[in-house]
Amino acid sequence: GAVVSQHPSRVICKSGTSVKIECRSLDFQATTMFWYRQFPKQSLMLMATSNEGSKATYEQGVEKDKFLINHASLTLSTLTVTSAHPEDSSFYICSAITLADTQYFGPGTRLTVL
Amino acid sequence: EDKVVQSPLSLVVHEGDTVTLNCSYEVTNFRSLLWYKQEKKAPTFLFMLTSSGIEKKSGRLSSILDKKELFSILNITATQTGDSAVYLCAVEVGNEKLTFGTGTRLTIIP
Repeated sequence: GAVVSQHPSRVICKSGTSVKIECRSLDFQATTMFWYRQFPKQSLMLMATSNEGSKATYEQGVEKDKFLINHASLTLSTLTVTSAHPEDSSFYICSAITLADTQYFGPGTRLTVL
Repeated sequence: EDKVVQSPLSLVVHEGDTVTLNCSYEVTNFRSLLWYKQEKKAPTFLFMLTSSGIEKKSGRLSSILDKKELFSILNITATQTGDSAVYLCAVEVGNEKLTFGTGTRLTIIP
């Protein structure tokens, strides 16, 4: 079946540094990918919709200059957390949509900012 | 490789019917199983299950986990058109990784 991978699975960084998270659709092309952040009590917050070849669409309240999203190809979207701070520590999950409108989630990336 | 399988893939029922959605899993180091309702883009958390045989209930929705047989069901009674959504099941494992199923698309016909 279709698989979505994320890299890295876990990252620890110092406050003020930038961290890039990759989301790849391994065996299908995805014109649309979504980035989520998981909050306590397992709620998922949609951060942005990543569209191949165009600018990402950010949800209200998400700083686009802080969370840079690039969807350079039909199989890769990246989320860069710039100047990370401890409050950015979270679990970031991506998902990709197939042409048949089925959504596949990545395994998530645990970011810890010290 | 951790795997979560949901069935059916889609379901169309009439308002007032009761539905049962299934989620089976094969994972190492199970921690919890979660159910979400996804209407537009962001999934809304419904339940988290960690123990076998204990039913969690919220209004017309209920869910139970069987850790021996490695599955969970989500029941919705007296369905309403507002229940139409994709219902996602996810399993959290020991390293905090979440593995999602592809969801069941539920459509309620008035």
